[in-house]
Amino acid sequence: SQQGEEDPQALSIQEGENATMNCSYKTSINNLQWYRQNSGRGLVHLILIRSNEREKHSGRLRVTLDTSKKSSSLLITASRAADTASYFCATVGAGGTSYGKLTFGQGTILTVHP
Amino acid sequence: EAQVTQNPRYLITVTGKKLTVTCSQNMNHEYMSWYRQDPGLGLRQIYYSMNVEVTDKGDVPEGYKVSRKEKRNFPLILESPSPNQTSLYFCASSLFGGTSGTFYEQYFGPGTRLTVT
Repeated sequence: SQQGEEDPQALSIQEGENATMNCSYKTSINNLQWYRQNSGRGLVHLILIRSNEREKHSGRLRVTLDTSKKSSSLLITASRAADTASYFCATVGAGGTSYGKLTFGQGTILTVHP
Repeated sequence: EAQVTQNPRYLITVTGKKLTVTCSQNMNHEYMSWYRQDPGLGLRQIYYSMNVEVTDKGDVPEGYKVSRKEKRNFPLILESPSPNQTSLYFCASSLFGGTSGTFYEQYFGPGTRLTVT
């Protein structure tokens, strides 16, 4: 079963606006990762946040992690048309039978209009 | 160039005909994994391996086999493919700090589109 749940499923914005995507999960995690995928192609890693971290930045990306709520958010600031893609969160299980297992959310389809 | 390669990229086969999809990485990564991606279901992990001769089941292992005899290769075997295994398959690899239990970001291959008729 899918551990990661993402919302919204689809997001449509204008260039220059910010885009926020949310991810929730159910079990203990080692880390949480965000990926981007352009239409049917391979996934590209964006940012990784470890379970003992609360916030991370990379360029126009900001990720937060709230382990008490088992949730994370990805913020893309000043979006560009080239940011149009699907975005996925993935959690790495921390222990037991989930140790090392990656579970992906179903993704958010982001469309940025020029 | 650091990369994960998969072969073939496209494959059409018939029910029951055994096939192997190869995956190779040149980054000396310990962790390798296979995923399938289906519309509306996102990516689901099939099998993963944290080192040579060590493999673990992901969320959807039924109907698949893997082996990790060498660090760089992680082939996916479908002994008797069925139409419900029609999907887009991705291989990925990453570093893994075994003693520290540290996991890292995944590097994905380009995907293999499999159709089973």
